[in-house]
Amino acid sequence: KAGVTQTPRYLIKTRGQQVTLSCSPISGHRSVSWYQQTPGQGLQFLFEYFSETQRNKGNFPGRFSGRQFSNSRSEMNVSTLELGDSALYLCASSPTGDSNQPQHFGDGTRLSIL
Amino acid sequence: AQKITQTQPGMFVQEKEAVTLDCTYDTSDPSYGLFWYKQPSSGEMIFLIYQGSYDQQNATEGRYSLNFQKARKSANLVISASQLGDSAMYFCAMRERSGGGADGLTFGKGTHLIIQP
Repeated sequence: KAGVTQTPRYLIKTRGQQVTLSCSPISGHRSVSWYQQTPGQGLQFLFEYFSETQRNKGNFPGRFSGRQFSNSRSEMNVSTLELGDSALYLCASSPTGDSNQPQHFGDGTRLSIL
Repeated sequence: AQKITQTQPGMFVQEKEAVTLDCTYDTSDPSYGLFWYKQPSSGEMIFLIYQGSYDQQNATEGRYSLNFQKARKSANLVISASQLGDSAMYFCAMRERSGGGADGLTFGKGTHLIIQP
C-alpha cells in the first residue's frame, strides 16, 4: 500500500509570493491533517480536512488555507509568504480522523523563503 | 502550560542496551490517545506505538513498549536492544477526544537519541 505522498519535496520562494503544497493520503484514508515544523516552535497543527470539509483548525493566520478534493487529496496554500514561514510542512492521513487512530505522515515539503 | 513534556533533549546509548524516553502529559480530558513517532534526519515521521487512555494493558509493538502510568500522566517509550538505526528524533504526542481532537496532535519538543556502537 502506498504511503502518504507530498509534493514537491523542496521549494524556494521569496517574500510576498504564494505557494501551494500537495498531499495524497493513503488509499482509503479520508482524513488529512497538516502540520508545520520549525526549530523554534516545533511541530504545530495547522488544520484537518475530512470529506472535503475543514473539521479542525490550529492557531495560524488566515494566510494559511487548505482544501480537500473528493478523492481525499489535499492542498495547502500559504499567501503573502513571510520569512517565518520557512519550515517543513508535513501532511498526515488516517482513516476517519478519530483520535485513537495513528496519523501516518508523508516525507514533508521543505519550504524556504528568501 | 505545555501539554506534552519531554525532559531529555538528547541521549547517548550504547548499542544493544535498552533505552527509556520520558514523556509526561497534561490534560483534563478523560479520553485521549498517546502516540510516539520517530523522525530520522531525512525528515519523515514514522508512527511507532499508540496507547489509549482507557487501555488496561501497556502497548507493545516489537522492540517498542509504552510504560503508561495514568495517575502520573506519564507515557514513557521503552526501546529494547537498541540498534544503530534507532538513532533519530523521537516525539511523544497526544490527541484529546473531547471536541473531536480539535487541536490535532499536540507534540512534545522531542528527544534526540544517538546510539553508539
